[in-house]
Amino acid sequence: TQLLEQSPQFLSIQEGENLTVYCNSSSVFSSLQWYRQEPGEGPVLLVTVVTGGEVKKLKRLTFQFGDARKDSSLHITAAQPGDTGLYLCAGGGSNYKLTFGKGTLLTVNP
Amino acid sequence: DTGVSQDPRHKITKRGQNVTFRCDPISEHNRLYWYRQTLGQGPEFLTYFQNEAQLEKSRLLSDRFSAERPKGSFSTLEIQRTEQGDSAMYLCASSLQGDGGYTFGSGTRLTVV
Repeated sequence: TQLLEQSPQFLSIQEGENLTVYCNSSSVFSSLQWYRQEPGEGPVLLVTVVTGGEVKKLKRLTFQFGDARKDSSLHITAAQPGDTGLYLCAGGGSNYKLTFGKGTLLTVNP
Repeated sequence: DTGVSQDPRHKITKRGQNVTFRCDPISEHNRLYWYRQTLGQGPEFLTYFQNEAQLEKSRLLSDRFSAERPKGSFSTLEIQRTEQGDSAMYLCASSLQGDGGYTFGSGTRLTVV
């Protein structure tokens, strides 16, 4: 069974601070996706990374896929209250299914 | 296209009753997935359709659960003889074959009392 561990589980910071959350596995994934989920809503896809070592930027968010395609990180610069939410990573294998981590619950205080 | 639609958004039912949820995917997406999410957990895979064919069911999907996707369009997920442990958010997602990104619906929150 492929498992994804996300850390930290909870993170509370002040507006303007930087943060990094991590997604680690002992398994190799063909792709890694990050989603953001707000309470009572479904997850929304932020990015998909497929190549080991790949770095993608989305405004203040930087995503990195590990060289061995077993881990990923999400870095947010100058966090804003609107960044508050549950950040989920999900690994894709050779099939269609995604394996999700438990998520990092981020709270950005004004 | 307004994205993936799920109905109802919320459902409260008594233990032992049957419930049915509906999902309307993005029209050009041929893949449709059902996931279940409980508090403090990430979504867990339940089942997957490619067009109208149900290609895989998780062991989480007991014989009380059934899903259909007639004509490869909308899908329904039925739970018979609901139990309190069935209380969760049921998420539907769709995607294009070859495109790893899912588009999720807003989910159906089921509470079994």
